[in-house]
Amino acid sequence: DAGVTQSPTHLIKTRGQQVTLRCSPKSGHDTVSWYQQALGQGPQFIFQYYEEEERQRGNFPDRFSGHQFPNYSSELNVNALLLGDSALYLCASSFPDGGSEKLFFGSGTQLSVL
Amino acid sequence: GENVEQHPSTLSVQEGDSAVIKCTYSDSASNYFPWYKQELGKGPQLIIDIRSNVGEKKDQRIAVTLNKTAKHFSLHITETQPEDSAVYFCAAVNNAGNMLTFGGGTRLMVKP
Repeated sequence: DAGVTQSPTHLIKTRGQQVTLRCSPKSGHDTVSWYQQALGQGPQFIFQYYEEEERQRGNFPDRFSGHQFPNYSSELNVNALLLGDSALYLCASSFPDGGSEKLFFGSGTQLSVL
Repeated sequence: GENVEQHPSTLSVQEGDSAVIKCTYSDSASNYFPWYKQELGKGPQLIIDIRSNVGEKKDQRIAVTLNKTAKHFSLHITETQPEDSAVYFCAAVNNAGNMLTFGGGTRLMVKP
C-alpha cells in the first residue's frame, strides 16, 4: 500500500515565477492538507481540501491556491514566487472518519526560489 | 488562534537514558495532541497521539502525558537508542480537526 506520494521531490524556481506541486493521498484517504515547513521550524498549515473544496485555510496569501481532483489527488499552486517561499512543502492525507486529524505525511517537495 | 510552544529545542542523551520533551498550548478547545518524528529528508511520521479525555498513553518505549488544566503535554522516550535520533514535533488540533498547529521541534541526539 503506497503512502502519500509527492512530486517533484526538488524544484528550483526564480522570483516571480509560478509553481505547481502534486500530491497523491494514501489509499482510502479522501482529505488532503498542505503544510509549509521552513528550515529549522515546524510545519505551518496552508489549507485543507475535502470533497474537492477548500475546507479551511491558514494564514497564507492568495498567491497560494490549490485544487483537489475526483480521485482525491491534489495540487498546490504558488504564484509570483518570493524568496521567502523557499521551504519544504508537505502534503498530508487522512481518513474519512469525520475527525480527519490523524495525518499521514509525504516526504515533501523542497522548493528553492532564487 | 492556537499557539504551541515546545522545549527544549535540542536534547542530547546517552544511549539507554530517557528523554523528555515538553509542549504547552494556548487554546483550551484543542482536543487532540499528536507527536511526530521527522528524519532527515523525510516527512513527519506519527509516533503517538492522545486525546483530551485521556491523561496518559503508552506504546512500548514511548509515552505521552496530558495535563488539560495546565495546558501542557509531554513525550517520554525510555531506553533511548541511536535510531531515536531525529527531530520531534508536538502538535495540537482544533475542535474541527482540520488543522494541526505544530511546535517548533526538538532535535534529539542519542549518543552511542
